Amino acid sequence: GAGVSQSPSNKVTEKGKDVELRCDPISGHTALYWYRQSLGQGLEFLIYFQGNSAPDKSGLPSDRFSAERTGGSVSTLTIQRTQQEDSAVYLCASSLGRQGNYGYTFGSGTRLTVV
Amino acid sequence: GQQVMQIPQYQHVQEGEDFTTYCNSSTTLSNIQWYKQRPGGHPVFLIQLVKSGEVKKQKRLTFQFGEAKKNSSLHITATQTTDVGTYFCAGPLRGWGKLQFGAGTQVVVTP
Repeated sequence: GAGVSQSPSNKVTEKGKDVELRCDPISGHTALYWYRQSLGQGLEFLIYFQGNSAPDKSGLPSDRFSAERTGGSVSTLTIQRTQQEDSAVYLCASSLGRQGNYGYTFGSGTRLTVV
Repeated sequence: GQQVMQIPQYQHVQEGEDFTTYCNSSTTLSNIQWYKQRPGGHPVFLIQLVKSGEVKKQKRLTFQFGEAKKNSSLHITATQTTDVGTYFCAGPLRGWGKLQFGAGTQVVVTP
């Protein structure tokens, strides 16, 4: 597609429920990233996929968070047993390559609210 | 660990004035990138600087990469209300395939 597509754009869930967030990157972009942004805060790195390599999960805040990328394209971020502190905007980005040598294209994000 | 720091955190500017925001890294960077996030929006890639001492301009925005490739600046001339937003710099972590983002400079423009 023309840009990075994320769905849903908004998600309200009850504490303790599981949620799945989807990211469809730009076709041909081999690198895919998930970031989290709390209100008025900076970008918190979560996870990074590059081609067929094992993902870099070093930013995941707890084992309730997981992500997968199928066929080197679409990615799903799953949060199990959601907590109120998980409320944030989850941003997905893709880029042409690795080593941070290419600019990121971000999606519009999923605003997650845990009530 | 490697850190990318931005100052100031907040910048209040009168419309028509100039201002500069700064980005500093604890280590040498292969490149520096700048992003702009409008209120309620997502970060948008502005520019990438690669060479030592490089200067690039985009209309009223001037970006500079330091000689030692450890710092960068963004200078905006004749600020307009359309410049409102948060400006992030980012540099690649050595040996890692991801960018380290600074905390951002939030710019508020007073008409």
